[in-house]
Amino acid sequence: EAGVAQSPRYKIIEKRQSVAFWCNPISGHATLYWYQQILGQGPKLLIQFQNNGVVDDSQLPKDRFSAERLKGVDSTLKIQPAKLEDSAVYLCASSLDLVGELFFGEGSRLTVL
Amino acid sequence: AQSVTQPDIHITVSEGASLELRCNYSYGATPYLFWYVQSPGQGLQLLLKYFSGDTLVQGIKGFEAEFKRSQSSFNLRKPSVHWSDAAEYFCAVGSSGGSYIPTFGRGTSLIVHP
Repeated sequence: EAGVAQSPRYKIIEKRQSVAFWCNPISGHATLYWYQQILGQGPKLLIQFQNNGVVDDSQLPKDRFSAERLKGVDSTLKIQPAKLEDSAVYLCASSLDLVGELFFGEGSRLTVL
Repeated sequence: AQSVTQPDIHITVSEGASLELRCNYSYGATPYLFWYVQSPGQGLQLLLKYFSGDTLVQGIKGFEAEFKRSQSSFNLRKPSVHWSDAAEYFCAVGSSGGSYIPTFGRGTSLIVHP
């Protein structure tokens, strides 16, 4: 069974530029999560989808971050414009349903210069 | 709001020695509790979880954890550590009603000496 796929693995941009990360969850998983992991900290939830609807985006900085899951499968997380403090690993996870085990991708490491 | 405290940033043990990683949580009701491991360059992997029932939980790779409600703790243990156990370990807590979303601690980095 294929795991959660994320791309790109690494991205370096300058502040005020934009970036997008892509996630393909495990087939059949209805719930998808984006987490932000800053160096030395635990992952922090940014947004949770159930199919193509948002369940929780209370910690998403909506002035610069956006995410979508249009067909209830793949998801894209966008940052525009990026700030230095956005340097982090962006983790995507998926689960069968709202109470299922989370399976994580390898993450996308963003460096903002 | 739920929260997790992992008081140890780094733990160093010798290969073959026993291991205990500490985790304390804050949550009003009975929580869902998890331990995840993150090896370099890899995603987080679930080691074990506690939802209810037996307070001693067995996980993968020889790990176990014990839920102690009176101490609000969920410490991770392993009787004999292998060099391949060197990684970052995260404790997480989720709410017990309806949808849960794990809230993670800051992590403990395990260093294993040969």
